[in-house]
Amino acid sequence: DTGVSQDPRHKITKRGQNVTFRCDPISEHNRLYWYRQTLGQGPEFLTYFQNEAQLEKSRLLSDRFSAERPKGSFSTLEIQRTEQGDSAMYLCASSFGTGGDKLFFGSGTQLSVL
Amino acid sequence: RKEVEQDPGPFNVPEGATVAFNCTYSNSASQSFFWYRQDCRKEPKLLMSVYSSGNEDGRFTAQLNRASQYISLLIRDSKLSDSATYLCVALPTGTASKLTFGTGTRLQVTL
Repeated sequence: DTGVSQDPRHKITKRGQNVTFRCDPISEHNRLYWYRQTLGQGPEFLTYFQNEAQLEKSRLLSDRFSAERPKGSFSTLEIQRTEQGDSAMYLCASSFGTGGDKLFFGSGTQLSVL
Repeated sequence: RKEVEQDPGPFNVPEGATVAFNCTYSNSASQSFFWYRQDCRKEPKLLMSVYSSGNEDGRFTAQLNRASQYISLLIRDSKLSDSATYLCVALPTGTASKLTFGTGTRLQVTL
């Protein structure tokens, strides 16, 4: 499968625990994005990388959230001290270049915080 | 007020019907617009781009009215496989693919 890959698909955790998600973009794509989607809502932008540089972060990304993309390949999104409000689908997307018609999304990681 | 607003539906239509979805956006600096399709528990996928001149792809037609800040999607001859959530998406000028999604409109096509 040469699409965007996310791991794990599902994560259940207890409030206060830390969680980390991984995203492997399409190999030739230099841009990588993280979005969050809650039930009944559209995806909301969290952050994006061009190669290894994190170029933009949403105000939705509180201090408990951190994202990295070492070496400009895969990316990780870590949430520290999870809260119930963090329960959502975390979607990763990648693109080569800019434009809303160039993004390819992964299947997402569904996070449930109990 | 949300930057991109849509009627969440659901729209329940019989197979073969024509259905139209509307969307309004508040950021006049938005440069590009798209319709994405999202199946239940799946990732969003690009359906089509939206141009001021209109854009048609088979049974799907998208229109943009910049003066009214309004976008539409028309689906003709609905199929059962069209059942999904349709997300209206704006890309503001000067952003590098920082898409702004609407809440989505759910379509259910029935026999």
